[in-house]
Amino acid sequence: NAGVTQTPKFRVLKTGQSMTLLCAQDMNHEYMYWYRQDPGMGLRLIHYSVGEGTTAKGEVPDGYNVSRLKKQNFLLGLESAAPSQTSVYFCASTSLGRNTGELFFGEGSRLTVL
Amino acid sequence: AQSVTQLGSHVSVSEGALVLLRCNYSSSVPPYLFWYVQYPNQGLQLLLKYTSAATLVKGINGFEAEFKKSETSFHLTKPSAHMSDAAEYFCAVRGTGGTSYGKLTFGQGTILTVHP
Repeated sequence: NAGVTQTPKFRVLKTGQSMTLLCAQDMNHEYMYWYRQDPGMGLRLIHYSVGEGTTAKGEVPDGYNVSRLKKQNFLLGLESAAPSQTSVYFCASTSLGRNTGELFFGEGSRLTVL
Repeated sequence: AQSVTQLGSHVSVSEGALVLLRCNYSSSVPPYLFWYVQYPNQGLQLLLKYTSAATLVKGINGFEAEFKKSETSFHLTKPSAHMSDAAEYFCAVRGTGGTSYGKLTFGQGTILTVHP
C-alpha cells in the first residue's frame, strides 16, 4: 500500500523557471492538501481540494497554482519560481468517512530555487 | 479560526527522563487535536489524536497527551525518553465544518533532542 506518493523528491530550479509537483494517493480520499514547511514556521497550507475538479486557496497561495483533474492526483505548480519558494513541500490526504480528519502525508519534496 | 501555539522550539532531555512538549490551542468549537512526529528527511506520522472521547489519549511509542479544556492545552508526554524519540513534533488542530473539513492548522514545531 503506497499511501501518498510525491514526485520529484528533490529539485533545484533557477529563478523564473517553472515546475510541477505531483501528488498521488491510492486510498480513494476525497480531500487533498499541499503544505510547505519552513524552519520555525511549522506547516502552512498552500492550496487544497475537496474533490475532483475543485480547488481552494489556503494560507499562503501566492505564486502557486493547483489542479485536481483526477481524484487520486493533486498537482502543485510554480509558474515563475522565486528564492522565497525554497522549501519542503508536503502533500496530504484524508477521507470524508474519517470524521477525525486525520491527514496522511507524503514524504515531502525538497525544492531549492537559486 | 483555529490556532496552535507550541511553547519551546527546542527541548532537550536525557535518556530515561520525562518528555513534556507543550501545546495550547485556540478554537471556537470543541476541537479535534493531533500530535504528529517527523523524523529527519521524512514525512509526518500521526502519534495520537483527541476526538472528544477520553481526555487522556495514548499514542504510539509510549506517548500520551491529556486534553484540558479549562487550560486549552494538549501537552504531549512520555515517562522515559529514548534516543529514538529524537525528532520534531507538531501539534495541530482540525478545521471544523464545510470546506474546512480536515484542514489542519499546525504549531511551529518542537525539536526534541535526547542526550545519552
